[in-house]
Amino acid sequence: DIQMTQSPSSLSASVGDRVTITCRASQYISTYLNWYQQKPGKAPKLLIFAASNLQVGVPSWFSGSGSGTEFTLTISSLQPEDFATYYCQQSYTFPPTFGGGTKVDFK
Amino acid sequence: QVPLQESGPGLVKPSETLSLICTVSGGSINNFYWSWIRQPPGKGLQWIGYIYPTGSALYTPSLKSRVTISADTSKNQVSLKLSSVTAADTAVYYCARLPYVSAYFDFWGQGSLVTVSS
Repeated sequence: DIQMTQSPSSLSASVGDRVTITCRASQYISTYLNWYQQKPGKAPKLLIFAASNLQVGVPSWFSGSGSGTEFTLTISSLQPEDFATYYCQQSYTFPPTFGGGTKVDFK
Repeated sequence: QVPLQESGPGLVKPSETLSLICTVSGGSINNFYWSWIRQPPGKGLQWIGYIYPTGSALYTPSLKSRVTISADTSKNQVSLKLSSVTAADTAVYYCARLPYVSAYFDFWGQGSLVTVSS
């Protein structure tokens, strides 16, 4: 299985901060990388697919980049509703695998 | 939006079979892949398997011997059965849609907590 490693595992930030989360794959996955946001007690929500494509309805302050084995999720200006846990997921090979998550909380 | 609703017992005894149903509203389950994903309390996400309603199912190797995913197109439902459960199978179980294989999970159910305990 391809291992997905996210860093950091948690971070503290303030409203308006620029936040960057990194996801590394244990082997090449092209741009088959997706990002999800999960709030407590809720299902994950798709934010970005194929590394850099914003899902319909997702605010434009979210962006994704990267290819190969290293990927980044950026929140350009953190909003109150963005405090959540973020997961990356590779869909390059079977079985699909998720990163361990990055929890973004209030500083 | 594609509403998905998981349903089933919230408590299962060890060694028994966990059974969940995902009912899809607002469109046919045909032409999409349907997946089950679980999340143990306080932990990350684990993909269990998926099915294409007019094709076969595919499962993660670590659970393959215990999992069955099936689809009932007449009821627009996808089901999950996990046999010989232990406490390690306690988790929130989600159904989710993939627009095609090797894709992303674009719609998710709200999740169903299943606790394995005697």
